[in-house]
Amino acid sequence: EVQLVESGGGLIQPGGSLRLSCAASGFSVSSKYMTWVRQAPGKGLEWVSVIYTGGSTYYADSVEGRFHIYIDNSKNTLYLQMNNLRAEDTAVYYCTREVGSMGYDPWGQGTLVTVSS
Amino acid sequence: DIVMTQTPLSLPVTPGEPASISCRSSQRLLDRNDGNTYLDWYLQKPGQSPQLLIHTVSFRASGVPDRFSGSGSDTDFTLRISRVEAEDVGVYFCMQRLEFPITFGQGTRLEIK
Repeated sequence: EVQLVESGGGLIQPGGSLRLSCAASGFSVSSKYMTWVRQAPGKGLEWVSVIYTGGSTYYADSVEGRFHIYIDNSKNTLYLQMNNLRAEDTAVYYCTREVGSMGYDPWGQGTLVTVSS
Repeated sequence: DIVMTQTPLSLPVTPGEPASISCRSSQRLLDRNDGNTYLDWYLQKPGQSPQLLIHTVSFRASGVPDRFSGSGSDTDFTLRISRVEAEDVGVYFCMQRLEFPITFGQGTRLEIK
């Protein structure tokens, strides 16, 4: 069964750093496009970042230069390193995979990041 | 950025009745390189993560009941539920994957009357 499990969220002060993890099972993270999407409390979905199978990465303008997406093949895990966090980064962060043209499936359960002093 | 606009934002439906959600994009979503139109639909049930319903306009994801269907082209897309059931409540999002940044509609909240 394909499964994604996020972890690493928590309460962090503005300007701080946090690393989110997304542990995959049932497939290799290096074989698919892996994506982070976030959802601020009570709000809609916002795409954050993607890493392609060749290693290319793309970011939303709102996180460019502060966030870094990468994978660890040995752990079959996707990461999102988040630096210089702001209050507006407060959200549930979901990881998901893109299977060719077939959309984002599945999604993890999400991990909550709260940026507040 | 491609702007995705959904209507309505709230949709009360009687069980057994049909429902329809519209999604309009500010640009065509056709990828001329591969012929795919990168418009998906997702459902976020209360307290859950989003789940894929429809990809590339009209293809149901695995396990999705056939009462869900997607249609459209260019910039106008529709998600239809032929007969709404209680388990269909939640927020429906359309999403474009043609170009970065990936963008979502605002979401349509379906509730049971």
